[in-house]
Amino acid sequence: NAGVTQNPKFQVLKTGQSMTLQCAQDMNHNSMYWYRQDPGMGLRLIYYSASEGTTDKGEVPNGYNVSRLNKREFSLRLESAAPSQTSVYFCASSERTGLTYEQYFGPGTRLTVT
Amino acid sequence: AQSVTQPDIHITVSEGASLELRCNYSYGATPYLFWYVQSPGQGLQLLLKYFSGDTLVQGIKGFEAEFKRSQSSFNLRKPSVHWSDAAEYFCAVGAMGGSYIPTFGRGTSLIVHP
Repeated sequence: NAGVTQNPKFQVLKTGQSMTLQCAQDMNHNSMYWYRQDPGMGLRLIYYSASEGTTDKGEVPNGYNVSRLNKREFSLRLESAAPSQTSVYFCASSERTGLTYEQYFGPGTRLTVT
Repeated sequence: AQSVTQPDIHITVSEGASLELRCNYSYGATPYLFWYVQSPGQGLQLLLKYFSGDTLVQGIKGFEAEFKRSQSSFNLRKPSVHWSDAAEYFCAVGAMGGSYIPTFGRGTSLIVHP
């Protein structure tokens, strides 16, 4: 049981390049999320998917697209990377446990755009 | 809309001293409340959560938190800090019902002096 896995762990892009961040979970969770973390800003939601086949914008969706490929996988795509997208990206999944929810986070992808 | 405030950006304590990290939330009904810890270069790990019942919640690694509805607070405490507790701590609030989309605070960085 690997939990939430993310690939790659590190990436350097040039401005204008594109890339896809991969995320997979093996806990059979319905909900999945993409966050970015910047110093002093906490975690900000980019997109989330409440269930397979659905995606919704979060707080900071501009410049990103997502695909919920199946129940396990939720990818984040940068079509034309910009230096402002230099950040640490976390994927998470969640499921109701009893009366509450619990989120599980991946180890993160550290992205630098030059 | 829900929101979370962590008033302290940095907290410095000596090893063995007690710790309290502050968290204030804004939400119109009874919230789900969470504390996460993030060690350098790592993802977020759940320390504890509150959703109902006893307002004093015990978590992992010797941490506890108390939900005070009258003060809209959910402060994290530990009676004796260890050097390994040095990390970033995030408070989060989630709404009961519907899609679970928590809001995170900006984090408090804990520095532990020997």
